[in-house]
Amino acid sequence: GQQLNQSPQSMFIQEGEDVSMNCTSSSIFNTWLWYKQEPGEGPVLLIALYKAGELTSNGRLTAQFGITRKDSFLNISASIPSDVGIYFCAGRSHGATNKLIFGTGTLLAVQP
Amino acid sequence: KAGVTQTPRYLIKTRGQQVTLSCSPISGHRSVSWYQQTPGQGLQFLFEYFSETQRNKGNFPGRFSGRQFSNSRSEMNVSTLELGDSALYLCASSLAGTSGRAPDTQYFGPGTRLTVL
Repeated sequence: GQQLNQSPQSMFIQEGEDVSMNCTSSSIFNTWLWYKQEPGEGPVLLIALYKAGELTSNGRLTAQFGITRKDSFLNISASIPSDVGIYFCAGRSHGATNKLIFGTGTLLAVQP
Repeated sequence: KAGVTQTPRYLIKTRGQQVTLSCSPISGHRSVSWYQQTPGQGLQFLFEYFSETQRNKGNFPGRFSGRQFSNSRSEMNVSTLELGDSALYLCASSLAGTSGRAPDTQYFGPGTRLTVL
C-alpha cells in the first residue's frame, strides 16, 4: 500500500529538548495533517494544514505545509514525558474526499 | 459530545471465518472512513461512506466490504479471513465529508483489534 516517507523512524530524547520530524511525498497534496497515536488508541489530530506555505501552531507544536505541496514538517518544543507516542503525517489530494495517505510514523520516547 | 465508538474492541477469529465490525460516528457526522493498521503496511485506507454510499475505495480485495446505515453508523465485513488480515481496524468520522477546510476534520475511534488464528 501507499505510504509517505516520514523521518526519523524513531527518536529518543531528554525532557526539555526540541523535536523535529518531516514527511515527504512524490505526489502533491492539498491538505497535510499531523496525528499522534498512543497505545490502544486511535490517532488524534494535532494540526491541520490547508495551504502551501502555511505555518500553524498548537501549543508547543508547530507544523508547516511545504511550498512544493509535497512535504510537511512538525516541530515539538520543550518536550515533556506525555509527548511519548507515534506521530503520523497524512496527506489528502484534491478531490480525494476523505482518503488519507499516511506516513510511516515517528516513534517518540522522552526520558524525564 | 461522544466520540467515535467501535465495537467490539477485540476479536479473535480463525482462518476462513467472516467478521463484522461496527462503527458509530460522532453525532451529526455523515462521513465514515475505514483504515487498516498493521506493523508492516502502516495505516491503509479501506473505503469511505457518505450518505449510505461508498464514495471512495482503497486497494483491498473484494473480501473487504462495508455499508452505512441511514443513521450514519457503518459496518465493515471481511469474509474468508486470512492470517494477514490480523490488524487494528480504525474508523474515522467527519462532519460533511468534503475536501475543503474544517469542519471536515476526521476523528478516529479507538479501533478494533482483530486477530486471525
